[in-house]
Amino acid sequence: DGGITQSPKYLFRKEGQNVTLSCEQNLNHDAMYWYRQDPGQGLRLIYYSQIVNDFQKGDIAEGYSVSREKKESFPLTVTSAQKNPTAFYLCASTGLAGGRELFFGEGSRLTVL
Amino acid sequence: GESVGLHLPTLSVQEGDNSIINCAYSNSASDYFIWYKQESGKGPQFIIDIRSNMDKRQGQRVTVLLNKTVKHLSLQIAATQPGDSAVYFCAENSGYSTLTFGKGTMLLVSP
Repeated sequence: DGGITQSPKYLFRKEGQNVTLSCEQNLNHDAMYWYRQDPGQGLRLIYYSQIVNDFQKGDIAEGYSVSREKKESFPLTVTSAQKNPTAFYLCASTGLAGGRELFFGEGSRLTVL
Repeated sequence: GESVGLHLPTLSVQEGDNSIINCAYSNSASDYFIWYKQESGKGPQFIIDIRSNMDKRQGQRVTVLLNKTVKHLSLQIAATQPGDSAVYFCAENSGYSTLTFGKGTMLLVSP
């Protein structure tokens, strides 16, 4: 079945460590997105990519990095520079312009110990 | 599951009632709106969308109403079921490459 796969679902990290969250899609979508969700908050955009080898910062990009070497993959690295990394991270993709009809993965929960 | 519902506005209804979830959007230039449903511990699921040249759109058991004059969007769910319990988000697109999401409303359906 087509869809977006995020892994791992749960991840624990010690302070000062970088971690990478995986996002893979087999929907043949050009655009991919990373959002962060905190309790009681809406989704906040971290980074997005509309085409391979190109990506743009979202509203809260500080402390995060991404790459888009393949159309299917858009990994997110949470670096030690991110001051408050504990959150639920959501990856999404769409084949439409303007971020319309975003299709989401099941999310990755990162906890910093 | 994920505690995405902490401190969110909450709507409590009885099974079989109709539910109306409201959303105020911020950008008068937005031309596309979308509603998502998010169950605990899962990613958001698409429910229904509407373009700014429409004021109403119907799906299966759901209707979205758009009032551009007051920048207001609503989601109506007919004959609400326990399986409808979730957090509902509205989002808008104002011509950029991304959606802007609201904070969400938790819907609780009692049997």
